[in-house]
Amino acid sequence: EAQVTQNPRYLITVTGKKLTVTCSQNMNHEYMSWYRQDPGLGLRQIYYSMNVEVTDKGDVPEGYKVSRKEKRNFPLILESPSPNQTSLYFCAVRRGAHNEQFFGPGTRLTVL
Amino acid sequence: KNQVEQSPQSLIILEGKNCTLQCNYTVSPFSNLRWYKQDTGRGPVSLTIMTFSENTKSNGRYTATLDADTKQSSLHITASQLSDSASYICVVSAGGDYKLSFGAGTTVTVRA
Repeated sequence: EAQVTQNPRYLITVTGKKLTVTCSQNMNHEYMSWYRQDPGLGLRQIYYSMNVEVTDKGDVPEGYKVSRKEKRNFPLILESPSPNQTSLYFCAVRRGAHNEQFFGPGTRLTVL
Repeated sequence: KNQVEQSPQSLIILEGKNCTLQCNYTVSPFSNLRWYKQDTGRGPVSLTIMTFSENTKSNGRYTATLDADTKQSSLHITASQLSDSASYICVVSAGGDYKLSFGAGTTVTVRA
């Protein structure tokens, strides 16, 4: 079964405490993305990766880092989280010829 | 700037009734338009996709239409069920670079 897994699913942290949200896929697809979803704003792309060791900024990359050392994993790193990064985060894998995004279950992050 | 606007922002319907959601876009060049369903607390899941040459696509009780000339799409839900309660997101893919533009979504609540 095709899967995108994210961990943790829920996280409450404090300002400035570094954290990593992991994302893993079992579909062997090259293109992966991170999105954040906020009420009224919809989904916005943070970073994407077209393949191993190839990453690029999306629309809202400030305050985030990513890495892609192997095809299946694409972690999202917040070096110094701030309250405005409180959001619902989704990892997604692009599959098929028509750019379908296959989303993970989401990580709800609260930064106090 | 590529934009996708959805209306209404939210709606409430009685079980068994029909409803129609709207999506207007300014994305160019156009590649395809996809509707996603997002249940509360879960990642979005693709419902339908339409390319430039398609003007209607059905998936069970969901029917999507596309007017590429006016850059409008609609999603019609027939004989609504409680399980249709969700957010519906319109996503337009631009040709060439696979850039996605997301609408903010319409929240549908179906009441018994």
